[in-house]
Amino acid sequence: NAGVTQTPKFRVLKTGQSMTLLCAQDMNHEYMYWYRQDPGMGLRLIHYSVGEGTTAKGEVPDGYNVSRLKKQNFLLGLESAAPSQTSVYFCASSYSIMEGQRNQPQHFGDGTRLSIL
Amino acid sequence: AQTVTQSQPEMSVQEAETVTLSCTYDTSESDYYLFWYKQPPSRQMILVIRQEAYKQQNATENRFSVNFQKAAKSFSLKISDSQLGDAAMYFCAYRSGGGSRLTFGEGTQLTVNP
Repeated sequence: NAGVTQTPKFRVLKTGQSMTLLCAQDMNHEYMYWYRQDPGMGLRLIHYSVGEGTTAKGEVPDGYNVSRLKKQNFLLGLESAAPSQTSVYFCASSYSIMEGQRNQPQHFGDGTRLSIL
Repeated sequence: AQTVTQSQPEMSVQEAETVTLSCTYDTSESDYYLFWYKQPPSRQMILVIRQEAYKQQNATENRFSVNFQKAAKSFSLKISDSQLGDAAMYFCAYRSGGGSRLTFGEGTQLTVNP
């Protein structure tokens, strides 16, 4: 059971470089999310999607873009990386609340550690 | 906006003993869900236990139980018979009943001493 898979697991970038983080889920979940985790701050929502072709801003969206072209994939992009974006990034997915699965939790990937020099 | 607060950045417990991790939240809603997630050094986010706000009975999962005090907006996690494998960061999280987004607390790092 793959669940939620994030690619890559580690990456080092230089300031100003761009990159894309890929998230794939095989649970046919409607909703997908991107979080960042920083020491002492828990996980904060960057962007999320409630279905294929839709995206919405979360708590800390600045400097990031996302796309959900296929239901199973959710991409997080950094157009011009900054040292403040050094973090651990988590992708998650869940059922739609419209599917009678309101009490179901989010399922998380194993995270991507991103360092920006 | 909802907020979740974990006031204990670090906790420690002796193996086989019981420990309680605190979580408080602020909301004006009556329909919501609360979760505890465990994050071991492997970085995985593992669901420990969940509680529906409309249920008065406290949730229990084996050695893990919660003390849900809706009026006080408190949601503490009790770990009984602590094991070395319980050592991890624990996050409390809130989700609105009509939404999908999770709001996390800052986390509590639990150390289990042999």
